[in-house]
Amino acid sequence: QQPVQSPQAVILREGEDAVINCSSSKALYSVHWYRQKHGEAPVFLMILLKGGEQKGHEKISASFNEKKQQSSLYLTASQLSYSGTYFCGTLTGTASKLTFGTGTRLQVTL
Amino acid sequence: DTAVSQTPKYLVTQMGNDKSIKCEQNLGHDTMYWYKQDSKKFLKIMFSYNNKELIINETVPNRFSPKSPDKAHLNLHINSLELGDSAVYFCASSHRSNQPQHFGDGTRLSIL
Repeated sequence: QQPVQSPQAVILREGEDAVINCSSSKALYSVHWYRQKHGEAPVFLMILLKGGEQKGHEKISASFNEKKQQSSLYLTASQLSYSGTYFCGTLTGTASKLTFGTGTRLQVTL
Repeated sequence: DTAVSQTPKYLVTQMGNDKSIKCEQNLGHDTMYWYKQDSKKFLKIMFSYNNKELIINETVPNRFSPKSPDKAHLNLHINSLELGDSAVYFCASSHRSNQPQHFGDGTRLSIL
């Protein structure tokens, strides 16, 4: 079953913060985050392994709560270049397939 | 030098035809994938190969047949195309399933 992301869409002004959530009905081994700009391929952002770690990539960071089977992506001081659709991808084991979430469309405006 | 390249970028064809999409990666990865992204933007895995061996075969019609001649190439052949096959098909590769995936630019398939 596909992980559910919330919100489905969000519009921000440049400089504002956003949180995107990813929730799974299955126990997770790891969570991946990708960003896809309109008309382009998805691009890898980061991987979080079970253990509740938090990772950062410039002003984009993420956390993984394996007990709650959830991950959150934090975008701080958003820039126009952050616009796109964000997907989480979940793995239930080391050899399982990556199942992508429902996606969150983020638009950053001036 | 493109890491994962797919051809063609656009494919417009009629219902009932047979078509192929080619994918090549020069990253030295062991695992390659085919994904389908529909009009609602859902990304769904279709197939995965590891060192030329099929390891994931999702519930996909038999009309779709992947072929991996070597670990750097993964092609997708589609027989008897139907209207519902219209989508963007992405090829991707990674070292292992729990490693970052690198995507090709996608093939936009439109069935008339």
